[in-house]
This record gives sequence, C-alpha cells and structure tokens, in this order.
Amino acid sequence: DTGVSQNPRHKITKRGQNVTFRCDPISEHNRLYWYRQTLGQGPEFLTYFQNEAQLEKSRLLSDRFSAERPKGSFSTLEIQRTEQGDSAMYLCASSSSGEQFFGPGTRLTVL
Amino acid sequence: KNQVEQSPQSLIILEGKNCTLQCNYTVSPFSNLRWYKQDTGRGPVSLTIMTFSENTKSNGRYTATLDADTKQSSLHITASQLSDSASYICVVSDFAGNNRKLIWGLGTSLAVNP
Repeated sequence: DTGVSQNPRHKITKRGQNVTFRCDPISEHNRLYWYRQTLGQGPEFLTYFQNEAQLEKSRLLSDRFSAERPKGSFSTLEIQRTEQGDSAMYLCASSSSGEQFFGPGTRLTVL
Repeated sequence: KNQVEQSPQSLIILEGKNCTLQCNYTVSPFSNLRWYKQDTGRGPVSLTIMTFSENTKSNGRYTATLDADTKQSSLHITASQLSDSASYICVVSDFAGNNRKLIWGLGTSLAVNP
C-alpha cells in the first residue's frame, strides 16, 4: 500500500495521559499536514511541515500538542495531559505540490 | 471572512437516482476548489479539483461544476450506488502556492438506500 498510513487507528486513553500518533506519508511527498476532525465538522488545520521544517501551526495547537518530522519522512503528533475535549479524529495528509492525500486517521477517545 | 457553505446538509436518495450537491464560497483570493468524499471513520478522498478557469470536471459518475463569477460549485452524482453513501465535502484553497490554506465546508451527508 503506497498511500498515507497512520497508527494507531484507534486510541482510548484516560484523561491526563500522554498519547503519540504516527503518520507515514506517501514516499517522496515533501509536505505533511495534521488536521483534527470532530463529528459533523470538517477537518481543522493543526500544523504543516515542508520536509523536516514545521512551517505553520494553528492557534488550535495548544502547548500540550507537539508535532515533529525529524527526518522529513514520517511525523509524530503528541498530546500531553489529554483532556476530554481532545477526543476527535486526527488526520494526516501529504502532498508534493498541490493535491493533499489523506490517511485513514487516528480516532482518539479520552475518557 | 472566508467561508464555504454547502447544501443540503443531508440527503437521502434511492439507489440508481441522480443527485446534485451545492457549494457556495466567499473565499478570496481563490486558487482552486476540491470535492472530497469521506466515508464514516475514514480520511477524505479527493474526487475532483478545479481551478478558476475550469467549468466542469468529471471523475466517473461524479461531475463537478464551477462558476467562479457567482462563486458556486455543484457535484452531480449519476446513477447512485449504495457505496456512494458518505459525506461530500467542498474545500476551497485561498493560497495559490502550496495549497496549505484550505477552507472546508461542513459537508453534505448522503445516504443511498436500496
């Protein structure tokens, strides 16, 4: 499968715990995006990488959220001290020029 | 404020019928408009992408139209199938560079019944 992959697909955690998600983009796509999507809403932009550089972060990305793309390939999104409001689908997308290709998402449930 | 509005919010049709979904936007400057299909619990999948100079684009049974003057787009689905049941999201880009500025509509939830 040469599409965008995300792991895990589902994560259930208790409030206050830390969680980390991984995204593997399509090979040679230099751009990588993280979005958050809640039920009935469109995806909300969180952050964007070009290669290993994090070029933009949304105001939605509080200081409990951190994203990395250390080698310009896969990326991780970590949420510290999770809150119930963090429950959502976290989507990753990659692109080389225009069109963004999305992964299947990681569904986070914070109890 | 840049906005993308879609109608109807939800739609139920019978298998084999056609339907048309609407998208109005106020995004400026306009770069391109995309339609995505999103199955429940999955990531969005691109159906079409159109720049301001394109009036129509087809992808199988999906045909998108764009009127950049009135800032309206439609997605027409022909001979619907059960697998068309999904959310259809209109997305407009306001940045001609790397398209990272995407403004998302809330989607139209389509249910195709046998």
